[in-house]
Amino acid sequence: DAKTTQPNSMESNEEEPVHLPCNHSTISGTDYIHWYRQLPSQGPEYVIHGLTSNVNNRMASLAIAEDRKSSTLILHRATLRDAAVYYCILRDPYGSSNTGKLIFGQGTTLQVKP
Amino acid sequence: GAGVSQTPSNKVTEKGKYVELRCDPISGHTALYWYRQSLGQGPEFLIYFQGTGAADDSGLPNDRFFAVRPEGSVSTLKIQRTERGDSAVYLCASSVGLAALDTQYFGPGTRLTVL
Repeated sequence: DAKTTQPNSMESNEEEPVHLPCNHSTISGTDYIHWYRQLPSQGPEYVIHGLTSNVNNRMASLAIAEDRKSSTLILHRATLRDAAVYYCILRDPYGSSNTGKLIFGQGTTLQVKP
Repeated sequence: GAGVSQTPSNKVTEKGKYVELRCDPISGHTALYWYRQSLGQGPEFLIYFQGTGAADDSGLPNDRFFAVRPEGSVSTLKIQRTERGDSAVYLCASSVGLAALDTQYFGPGTRLTVL
């Protein structure tokens, strides 16, 4: 599975936008870019995913670079509840070990200041 | 509806003892995953069930770890002769089906402490 690289930590002020970057320079043509987040003392939760086009949902937006070697998760107005570890994960539906398991890196710890 | 539940939420045991951790997936979800999360690390895959069978157990660290899902719903992760290094949060997740892109829904985890 292709590897992703994320900053260890980021800070944001409440009610401001947050841009969380992810590099995946060895991404394959069939890899989908997924984001999960983990709030303190909870299991991870799905945020968003995309392949090539930018995606929006009620939680966030995902901006994918034209060459797909990087992507950015955008929280439009950070709240205190958004303080979590954010994981960028590549998933290949056609991979040889196609079990759907998630391969987590270290993620980015987002701190939101009031 | 009800999410994924895990019991117990905390388990403290002594080195060498046997423990069982239980996972109740979302009703109707055929895929079930176990992960282990050490302090400060991301979750690490252990085993995946599709229905009753373990389709991928490549993440189990050694033969002290075993998991079952006899009726295709509830799963139990079993650890024999526990060691201090087994201390971690054990997470369970379920998804609707086989598709590799299906969203996984995680439980709150079981925090295992081996003294």
